[in-house]
Amino acid sequence: SQTIHQWPATLVQPVGSPLSLECTVEGTSNPNLYWYRQAAGRGLQLLFYSVGIGQISSEVPQNLSASRPQDRQFILSSKKLLLSDSGFYLCAWNQDGQLDTQYFGPGTRLTVL
Amino acid sequence: AQSVTQLDSQVPVFEEAPVELRCNYSSSVSVYLFWYVQYPNQGLQLLLKYLSGSTLVKGINGFEAEFNKSQTSFHLRKPSVHISDTAEYFCAVSDRRNTDKLIFGTGTRLQVFP
Repeated sequence: SQTIHQWPATLVQPVGSPLSLECTVEGTSNPNLYWYRQAAGRGLQLLFYSVGIGQISSEVPQNLSASRPQDRQFILSSKKLLLSDSGFYLCAWNQDGQLDTQYFGPGTRLTVL
Repeated sequence: AQSVTQLDSQVPVFEEAPVELRCNYSSSVSVYLFWYVQYPNQGLQLLLKYLSGSTLVKGINGFEAEFNKSQTSFHLRKPSVHISDTAEYFCAVSDRRNTDKLIFGTGTRLQVFP
């Protein structure tokens, strides 16, 4: 069966520090991968998605970036965090042929102080 | 482009009472519709989805939703809620021609009281 992992589970970082959040999927190959941010009272906002290694689409211009160095690994990064980057970050995947349903990881709670 | 509106940010209800969580969408093309549930500090779990066929869709945990094309709605219902149903519920839509992206509503927090 497929599983999706995210780490760390929680993170507290000072403003201006770098960020790296990791997401990995097991039990499948060539998944579509997604990064969402959930801010209080604002629902889920799609940040990036990837249909293959090295292929990244950005939905919202900001100081975040994403990379996909391996088929089942998706990384969210920032060089300098802002207060407004605080939130709950969710990674999700789905599979070609089953694009109607996305499967979500447990999330990372990021607090920028 | 699609959009999703969940008018109720919070819905308080007593245990064993019925509940309806409202969802309206806007789209110029045909869509797929979804309800996801998020328990505290966890990821999202699919409750149910409408792809085609019967407009009444049954999901997990006793939830169901009805697709109403004329009213562009996909309201979620449960005839008798439990304390364990306390969670955040998200309605989402995707374009049938381009299902790579899900557009989410802002969520409804269901609080079930004993």
